[in-house]
Amino acid sequence: DAKTTQPNSMESNEEEPVHLPCNHSTISGTDYIHWYRQLPSQGPEYVIHGLTSNVNNRMASLAIAEDRKSSTLILHRATLRDAAVYYCILSVVNRDDKIIFGKGTRLHILP
Amino acid sequence: SAVISQKPSRDICQRGTSLTIQCQVDSQVTMMFWYRQQPGQSLTLIATANQGSEATYESGFVIDKFPISRPNLTFSTLTVSNMSPEDSSIYLCSVWTSGRTDTQYFGPGTRLTVL
Repeated sequence: DAKTTQPNSMESNEEEPVHLPCNHSTISGTDYIHWYRQLPSQGPEYVIHGLTSNVNNRMASLAIAEDRKSSTLILHRATLRDAAVYYCILSVVNRDDKIIFGKGTRLHILP
Repeated sequence: SAVISQKPSRDICQRGTSLTIQCQVDSQVTMMFWYRQQPGQSLTLIATANQGSEATYESGFVIDKFPISRPNLTFSTLTVSNMSPEDSSIYLCSVWTSGRTDTQYFGPGTRLTVL
């Protein structure tokens, strides 16, 4: 499985945008970029995923570099409830494919 | 979406005993996945369970230690056998579901403490 690299932790102020980076220089052409997050004492939850184009949903935006070797998860207006560990994962979108987690980025939101 | 429940939500067990964790999904799924999350760590995939066949284990995990059953398309169990304190972890099951977005859903986890 292709590897991703994320900062161990980041801090942001409440109500400000947050940009969470992810490097994936060995990404293959069939790999989708997924983001999951894990709130305290909960299982991971899906945030967003994309292949080549930037993606937006109600939770976040995903900006993908033109060469696909890096991506950025954007939380437009962070709240205290966004404090979590964010995982950037590469996977072929296949209903039976396994997801391998890296270490993720622990996001701290300052009130 | 999928609603996944796990039982028990937590347990404290003695060294050398075994615990069976149940995972129930509210829809039929082909594959179910079992993960372990040790304290302060990320998730590690234990095995993939396909209904009607033997589970596929990841490197470092063996069937004798983590036997898995998958009797139907909505249910699976993971047994942690002959437990030691190193098995103290959160165990999570997950499934893929289809819809507007194919995504993987996770159960709430079972927090296991081995004394």
